[in-house]
Amino acid sequence: GAVVSQHPSRVICKSGTSVKIECRSLDFQATTMFWYRQFPKQSLMLMATSNEGSKATYEQGVEKDKFLINHASLTLSTLTVTSAHPEDSSFYICSARGVWPYYGYTFGSGTRLTVV
Amino acid sequence: AQSVTQPDIHITVSEGASLELRCNYSYGATPYLFWYVQSPGQGLQLLLKYFSGDTLVQGIKGFEAEFKRSQSSFNLRKPSVHWSDAAEYFCAVGGRDDGNKLVFGAGTILRVKS
Repeated sequence: GAVVSQHPSRVICKSGTSVKIECRSLDFQATTMFWYRQFPKQSLMLMATSNEGSKATYEQGVEKDKFLINHASLTLSTLTVTSAHPEDSSFYICSARGVWPYYGYTFGSGTRLTVV
Repeated sequence: AQSVTQPDIHITVSEGASLELRCNYSYGATPYLFWYVQSPGQGLQLLLKYFSGDTLVQGIKGFEAEFKRSQSSFNLRKPSVHWSDAAEYFCAVGGRDDGNKLVFGAGTILRVKS
């Protein structure tokens, strides 16, 4: 079955630094990657959608310059949280979608980011 | 824009009892519908999905869901709940008309009492 590997699972960083989160599709080509953010006891909120080789499309209210998304290959997408602040602390989850038979949305295991 | 409503924030059932989690969606075209389960601090695991065809969908762990277009619903069911089913369940809707984005409901936390 389709597997998406997300790293790191947990990261603690100092305020003002940048953090990169990687999401890899291990056994299929992810034509589209989705990045979500989940606050405690809340649902997943879509941050952005990226297609391989194209610029990401951000949802309304999401700062493009703060959350940099790169989808340079069909198996790798990265989310970089730049100049992180405590309010960026959250659970970030990626989701990959491929071509048939990988039409489903396969989720990574998530990254718990804590900014101190 | 598409939206998903899960009217029950919490549900508590006894082990061995049947379960139904409600999901209503709003989508202009033919939707893709999903149910995911999430344990605390973990990612999401797909339980089942509906793209087309048979409206009764079988999933993993004994779950099933029925797509009812007339009611815009996609309720999740399980005939006999196990303690290990305690988790949070998310219904999601997506489709080609909106860039294949998935929109999630608020989630339903399932508690299982022994």
